[in-house]
Amino acid sequence: AQSVTQLGSHVSVSEGALVLLRCNYSSSVPPYLFWYVQYPNQGLQLLLKYTTGATLVKGINGFEAEFKKSETSFHLTKPSAHMSDAAEYFCAVTLDSSYKLIFGSGTRLLVRP
Amino acid sequence: GAGVSQSPSNKVTEKGKDVELRCDPISGHTALYWYRQRLGQGLEFLIYFQGNSAPDKSGLPSDRFSAERTGESVSTLTIQRTQQEDSAVYLCASSLELAGGPSDNEQFFGPGTRLTVL
Repeated sequence: AQSVTQLGSHVSVSEGALVLLRCNYSSSVPPYLFWYVQYPNQGLQLLLKYTTGATLVKGINGFEAEFKKSETSFHLTKPSAHMSDAAEYFCAVTLDSSYKLIFGSGTRLLVRP
Repeated sequence: GAGVSQSPSNKVTEKGKDVELRCDPISGHTALYWYRQRLGQGLEFLIYFQGNSAPDKSGLPSDRFSAERTGESVSTLTIQRTQQEDSAVYLCASSLELAGGPSDNEQFFGPGTRLTVL
């Protein structure tokens, strides 16, 4: 069965610093991988996704993620954090034709001024 | 183009009561999903509807949970005899569900219904 692990329930960075949110998955077949962001009192919004092709995926708001099969990872990065990036971030995987998403437990990003 | 809407936004109920949560998907989206988000946890898949196919109910936690969908429109998630552990945010998502696969099938999420069982 597939699963998703997000290391660190909370990550705190200074404004302008590098953002790194970790995601590892377990899967017996190549997965499709997603990062979603949830701003306070709002629904989830897709940041980026990996399905096939290039392993470095660029998303909205300057975020990107790299699929590393050998490490079963899909870490999310952004070179320079902005105050508006403060939110909860969820990594998710889907495998089968129903496309139901299996989510990690989420990482809350705090950005210090 | 409205997004996915859910109602009510908040629901407080007493243990043992039944509740109904509603989801209005984006018009034209054939696939609809329900997820549950408990405090401090990720989302758990509950149920998936796709067109006229039998729904995938594999995520429903107990027989107290059921869901219906009328055609390709509104869906209702019903929880009978609510328990305190049912307290969570219930999220609905919809997608086009084209044949191309997940790359063509972004799920769009509603704002959720926060359920509190006292």
